Amino acid sequence: AQKITQTQPGMFVQEKEAVTLDCTYDTSDPSYGLFWYKQPSSGEMIFLIYQGSYDQQNATEGRYSLNFQKARKSANLVISASQLGDSAMYFCAMREGTNAGKSTFGDGTTLTVKP
Amino acid sequence: ETGVTQTPRHLVMGMTNKKSLKCEQHLGHNAMYWYKQSAKKPLELMFVYNFKEQTENNSVPSRFSPECPNSSHLFLHLHTLQPEDSALYLCASSQDPGQGYHEQYFGPGTRLTVT
Repeated sequence: AQKITQTQPGMFVQEKEAVTLDCTYDTSDPSYGLFWYKQPSSGEMIFLIYQGSYDQQNATEGRYSLNFQKARKSANLVISASQLGDSAMYFCAMREGTNAGKSTFGDGTTLTVKP
Repeated sequence: ETGVTQTPRHLVMGMTNKKSLKCEQHLGHNAMYWYKQSAKKPLELMFVYNFKEQTENNSVPSRFSPECPNSSHLFLHLHTLQPEDSALYLCASSQDPGQGYHEQYFGPGTRLTVT
């Protein structure tokens, strides 16, 4: 079974509106970390936000927030007030257990922001 | 130079050639990673080095040979590659993954084409 599932291959959002990118994960380890990365067309992956499995509150970083629902094993990324520069590929990733060096990435979601 | 740099940015090589990819990080991190990103597959972890020691080899064919002379430099030596090895090769670094779930910082990648 896939460890990270991103069910939306492509998403469109109007500039200045909010958008939610879905991510579900699968692990039996109680300790794990969840990450979101952005990959513009230039290719470089950019770290956006992190959520630890024991964190009580949802992570926020500027216009990015993570809607963490542990029981449902979901870690959706919410981007508020979308900008044209947000158009990119977005990847959800997980590190788990004691093998914290090994990351598993989802297939990604391509976000297009319309003017 | 800041962040993570990779050279060359583009590489075209024949199947009988030998070439090397270089990665350098200027972030004071102890861990470095090689990833392969193909068009139709999710990001695949290839190798992990922590404090110059290889801690992960994700069943990578021997035609890919990594080298980590120090915590700031990582190489990927390539020989007798196959056309299916054509992909974007991304290097990343992070703080010690044995001490928590740290985000990774990525380089711009090397776009490799095997002819």
